[in-house]
Amino acid sequence: AQSVTQLGSHVSVSEGALVLLRCNYSSSVPPYLFWYVQYPNQGLQLLLKYTSAATLVKGINGFEAEFKKSETSFHLTKPSAHMSDAAEYFCAVSGGSYNNNDMRFGAGTRLTVKP
Amino acid sequence: KAGVTQTPRYLIKTRGQQVTLSCSPISGHRSVSWYQQTPGQGLQFLFEYFSETQRNKGNFPGRFSGRQFSNSRSEMNVSTLELGDSALYLCASSLARSTGGTGELFFGEGSRLTVL
Repeated sequence: AQSVTQLGSHVSVSEGALVLLRCNYSSSVPPYLFWYVQYPNQGLQLLLKYTSAATLVKGINGFEAEFKKSETSFHLTKPSAHMSDAAEYFCAVSGGSYNNNDMRFGAGTRLTVKP
Repeated sequence: KAGVTQTPRYLIKTRGQQVTLSCSPISGHRSVSWYQQTPGQGLQFLFEYFSETQRNKGNFPGRFSGRQFSNSRSEMNVSTLELGDSALYLCASSLARSTGGTGELFFGEGSRLTVL
């Protein structure tokens, strides 16, 4: 069975500061890993994904994440936070059977950006 | 390319009623998944359909059901509504991995259900 743990339900940073959102996964098979962002009253939008190619993945809006198998982690970072980054972020894992889309999400981390 | 479309966006029901939510996936996507999102439980997987067959199911009671049509459009139904069913119901479509996809889900904006 696969699962995702996001450390910290709330993260607050100042505008211009580093953003670091933590995600650890457990999976019995090599997983696909994703980060999604959700703005209020909207669906989820894909930020980036790891699908067993490069371990450092670059996404939209200046975000990136590094897959570290030894640490079973897939932390999301952004060098400089912007006010528009305030949202909820979800880490997700998909793996298991090749024929199933069985994506499971972490509990989410709400990012607040202070001016 | 049009995105995932969910209808209705908002609805209010009373306890004991039933509700049907609709989802039109992105053209060419044959996999449709449903999730329930609540402040307390977060995003919980309901079920996934591919080519009109339910392939995967989450841990929800039998009051929650779904189906997929030959054009890949999907509906989910909740019968005998309870207060705890109030949530944002999200539909997502994807190009199944077995047909070259990477499992990425494309989400609709959701249907917000309030049960009074």
